[in-house]
Amino acid sequence: GAGVSQSPSNKVTEKGKDVELRCDPISGHTALYWYRQSLGQGLEFLIYFQGNSAPDKSGLPSDRFSAERTGGSVSTLTIQRTQQEDSAVYLCASARGTEIFTDTQYFGPGTRLTVL
Amino acid sequence: EDKVVQSPLSLVVHEGDTVTLNCSYEVTNFRSLLWYKQEKKAPTFLFMLTSSGIEKKSGRLSSILDKKELSSILNITATQTGDSAIYLCAVDRDDKIIFGKGTRLHILP
Repeated sequence: GAGVSQSPSNKVTEKGKDVELRCDPISGHTALYWYRQSLGQGLEFLIYFQGNSAPDKSGLPSDRFSAERTGGSVSTLTIQRTQQEDSAVYLCASARGTEIFTDTQYFGPGTRLTVL
Repeated sequence: EDKVVQSPLSLVVHEGDTVTLNCSYEVTNFRSLLWYKQEKKAPTFLFMLTSSGIEKKSGRLSSILDKKELSSILNITATQTGDSAIYLCAVDRDDKIIFGKGTRLHILP
């Protein structure tokens, strides 16, 4: 594909509902990152995948958050029982994967999540 | 608690001015310091610094790390309106990176 794609681009949900965010990385990229950009906050790193493996999940804000990646490609970020503080832009990035964090990361357009 | 602090939080200058953005950190297991430029939603990687005192340069941008002072600066000379963005500093600590809140830079024409 031409770049990283994310879906949906916008999601409005009610507090307490579950949401699933999807990221399609650039074909062949082994590294995949999830970030969160909250209003007025810095960019927050959530989790990264090297292939299908996530070495460190401690960046996830709470146990309501989970992420998986299958086939070394598509990744989903799931938020259960959403809360208003989950409202943010969720960004996904992929990279060739040879150097974690320092390889050029190609970012998707993000999913803007609003929890009412 | 690990933290990365950037200053100033915002800065407005005129085109052609030189700016210096600051980043200080308190992070265990420091591996590298990263600078990003964030426009709209997607930050782009600028520099990675691992060694103290070695300047990295890319066009009008340069950056240097001071491990003794636990800080880094990002310099932009001859600023242009296209430099307007949020500049993010992050510290790579093993398998996690910790971001500062960013410096919002606005260049007036």
